Amino acid sequence: EAGVTQSPTHLIKTRGQQVTLRCSPISGHTSVYWYQQALGLGLQFLLWYDEGEERNRGNFPPRFSGRQFPNYSSELNVNALELEDSALYLCASSLGQGLTYEQYFGPGTRLTVT
Amino acid sequence: KNQVEQSPQSLIILEGKNCTLQCNYTVSPFSNLRWYKQDTGRGPVSLTIMTFSENTKSNGRYTATLDADTKQSSLHITASQLSDSASYICVVSAGASKIIFGSGTRLSIRP
Repeated sequence: EAGVTQSPTHLIKTRGQQVTLRCSPISGHTSVYWYQQALGLGLQFLLWYDEGEERNRGNFPPRFSGRQFPNYSSELNVNALELEDSALYLCASSLGQGLTYEQYFGPGTRLTVT
Repeated sequence: KNQVEQSPQSLIILEGKNCTLQCNYTVSPFSNLRWYKQDTGRGPVSLTIMTFSENTKSNGRYTATLDADTKQSSLHITASQLSDSASYICVVSAGASKIIFGSGTRLSIRP
């Protein structure tokens, strides 16, 4: 069974640009979570989608947004990139709604903003 | 305020030795506590998940304990191997929609 996949693997953008990151959950999983992990720091919760709807949002500005498609894949969009957005962006999926379900993480997208 | 604190921040031990990582939390209402292992540049992988009523859970050489009264958890690694070098992250879920990550313990195993 394929795990959570993310694309692209690496990305280099310039300050002020916009970026879209993609995530495909494990087949059968309906919930998708996005996390930011800046270098040397812990994971910070960004967004949680389930059944196409945003269920919860972390403490991030509105320029971080996303969506979940009918096939449960998801996109994370970041507008007006800032240098401090440079981080590893991790996507996770779970079988059901709610945090009692196990989350399975993808390999991440490494974003560098110059 | 919901918080998860891990200690130590980093740890270096010799291959074959045991070690224990700590996690203290102030999270309410408590749903469950997970320990993850994260290799450098990769996504975290779950080691254990524990609910309020569970005191101990093992996964091979990894044993997690939970004391819900003192709000403390530990992860004990037995007979460490070089492949255990990674960051270990404690994650606590509060209710149905909030998840709080610790900042992790970076463990290095030396031959």
